Amino acid sequence: GAVVSQHPSWVICKSGTSVKIECRSLDFQATTMFWYRQFPKQSLMLMATSNEGSKATYEQGVEKDKFLINHASLTLSTLTVTSAHPEDSSFYICSASMRQPYGYTFGSGTRLTVV
Amino acid sequence: DAKTTQPNSMESNEEEPVHLPCNHSTISGTDYIHWYRQLPSQGPEYVIHGLTSNVNNRMASLAIAEDRKSSTLILHRATLRDAAVYYCILRFTSGNTPLVFGKGTRLSVIA
Repeated sequence: GAVVSQHPSWVICKSGTSVKIECRSLDFQATTMFWYRQFPKQSLMLMATSNEGSKATYEQGVEKDKFLINHASLTLSTLTVTSAHPEDSSFYICSASMRQPYGYTFGSGTRLTVV
Repeated sequence: DAKTTQPNSMESNEEEPVHLPCNHSTISGTDYIHWYRQLPSQGPEYVIHGLTSNVNNRMASLAIAEDRKSSTLILHRATLRDAAVYYCILRFTSGNTPLVFGKGTRLSVIA
């Protein structure tokens, strides 16, 4: 089946530094990927839609200059959290859409802790 | 995407069947009913989907009401590994829009 590989699975960084999270589609081409954020005991919240070769579309309230998304190829999308702060600590998850209407496949998530 | 309503939590004994309900009274004729689950500290995974007829796969069964305003995910024999948050999501048949997650149902399985 289709697999989305997400790395790293966890990362701890110092406040003010930047962190890059990678999401790769291993056996299919993903023209569109989605990035979610999940705080403890809460549901997934969509952050942005990443389209290959074009600018990402951000949800309301998500700072595009803080959460940089790059989707330079059909198999790789990256999310960079710039100047991270403790409130950015969260579980970040990527997703790619599959052949309709068979749904979506998700990465295993990245636990970011900013200290 | 139309809204779904699920109980916050449910509990089941191991090796017993589990019926997870979902109400979606505003479903449109072109909405598929999808179920995903999220195990602790992992990304969601696809469970099953359907449109009008009941569906079975190796993971679960999906029973869809005749008027499509509700559905039930059935785990035939719950195991400890089935403890997860289960999300019922309506998905339009076309377009490349993201899944919108509600709060889901947290299933606990007791040994």
